[in-house]
Amino acid sequence: SQQGEEDPQALSIQEGENATMNCSYKTSINNLQWYRQNSGRGLVHLILIRSNEREKHSGRLRVTLDTSKKSSSLLITASRAADTASYFCATPPGRYNFNKFYFGSGTKLNVKP
Amino acid sequence: NAGVTQTPKFRVLKTGQSMTLLCAQDMNHEYMYWYRQDPGMGLRLIHYSVGEGTTAKGEVPDGYNVSRLKKQNFLLGLESAAPSQTSVYFCASTYGRTTDTQYFGPGTRLTVL
Repeated sequence: SQQGEEDPQALSIQEGENATMNCSYKTSINNLQWYRQNSGRGLVHLILIRSNEREKHSGRLRVTLDTSKKSSSLLITASRAADTASYFCATPPGRYNFNKFYFGSGTKLNVKP
Repeated sequence: NAGVTQTPKFRVLKTGQSMTLLCAQDMNHEYMYWYRQDPGMGLRLIHYSVGEGTTAKGEVPDGYNVSRLKKQNFLLGLESAAPSQTSVYFCASTYGRTTDTQYFGPGTRLTVL
């Protein structure tokens, strides 16, 4: 199975609510990245958290990383209809396994106006 | 500054036909990647390049070939298309290291009949 797996697969919330997505991975990482994909578009980088960081903020985004549990979470606060998209976590490869750049299968977020 | 562009945007092939997908970036990035995205599978790395004139296999390279004759271009070729290659193909690039943020193109939707 793949390195990074998101949970839940789908999430539907009302505008203004918070959305939380989780990502689990299997091997040690240098950093973990979150990307957003709007329907029919390419992926857009949201935020990168390094293995020695526990929490990072960017606007309405908050990312946490727990290397002991090999998991990360993405929190979007005060969600907007424009946040409707799929969200992916990605774990870049280590030094000796370059071709193992993993993306999870994503969480599909629907924010209802 | 166009970022990462891909041509064509859509293509329909018959089994056994060949085609080339073109990826171009104007950010002077060293590393370039080709992914395919299938429903429920996330992105999987096909081939990558760490510089002009170099290419290497990713996670799912069979049935594809690539070339990087110029730093700004990364071509993905299908010599004899199969229905299993029906997918959305994304090109991405990073500046200098595999752990950097990836910049994605808008994708090419390929259908093989």
